[in-house]
Amino acid sequence: GAGVSQSPSNKVTEKGKDVELRCDPISGHTALYWYRQSLGQGLEFLIYFQGNSAPDKSGLPSDRFSAERTGGSVSTLTIQRTQQEDSAVYLCASSLLSEQYFGPGTRLTVT
Amino acid sequence: AQSVAQPEDQVNVAEGNPLTVKCTYSVSGNPYLFWYVQYPNRGLQFLLKYITGDNLVKGSYGFEAEFNKSQTSFHLKKPSALVSDSALYFCAVRDGNYGGSQGNLIFGKGTKLSVKP
Repeated sequence: GAGVSQSPSNKVTEKGKDVELRCDPISGHTALYWYRQSLGQGLEFLIYFQGNSAPDKSGLPSDRFSAERTGGSVSTLTIQRTQQEDSAVYLCASSLLSEQYFGPGTRLTVT
Repeated sequence: AQSVAQPEDQVNVAEGNPLTVKCTYSVSGNPYLFWYVQYPNRGLQFLLKYITGDNLVKGSYGFEAEFNKSQTSFHLKKPSALVSDSALYFCAVRDGNYGGSQGNLIFGKGTKLSVKP
């Protein structure tokens, strides 16, 4: 079956611009997660959606980061006024049970 | 606070030899433990998990891991390494006392496994 998909696979943007990253989870998975993977920081949790509950935003590094999940399926992570330290691979995952299944990631480069 | 430690940045093994990738964890409640593998330019792939039950869990590609509560460890093992096992391995944990079976994971820094022919 189809796994988690993310788009774009690569994004290069200028400092100060806004970017949107998209995640399509596995059909039927109730939970969706965003993580960030960068050199020296490993994998960091950003935000977690579970069903119709309010999202857990405790991992978002600043108010420039936001995410939404429409219709309990597709999610968009938005980064406003990008900074060079935002450069990383952004990974999306979804789950129905305890194990999470990851997408291939979006590599964001801020110049 | 929850945390995971992978004490080795890199593990080198000869093909056919057994391999171990180490992981220790810290949670206040019941640990849910996971291993993931990441191949170059790919996302993370789930290998195995421990939630409850038998301390030895078996996963994909011949990997297994042993949960040791007294040592707070969850080391990944394979009896005979393959060159194709070369990848980055991540251990992860969450506190099972909060939020049910789902919730964000805390990851270790990763261990690069290199298997030479």
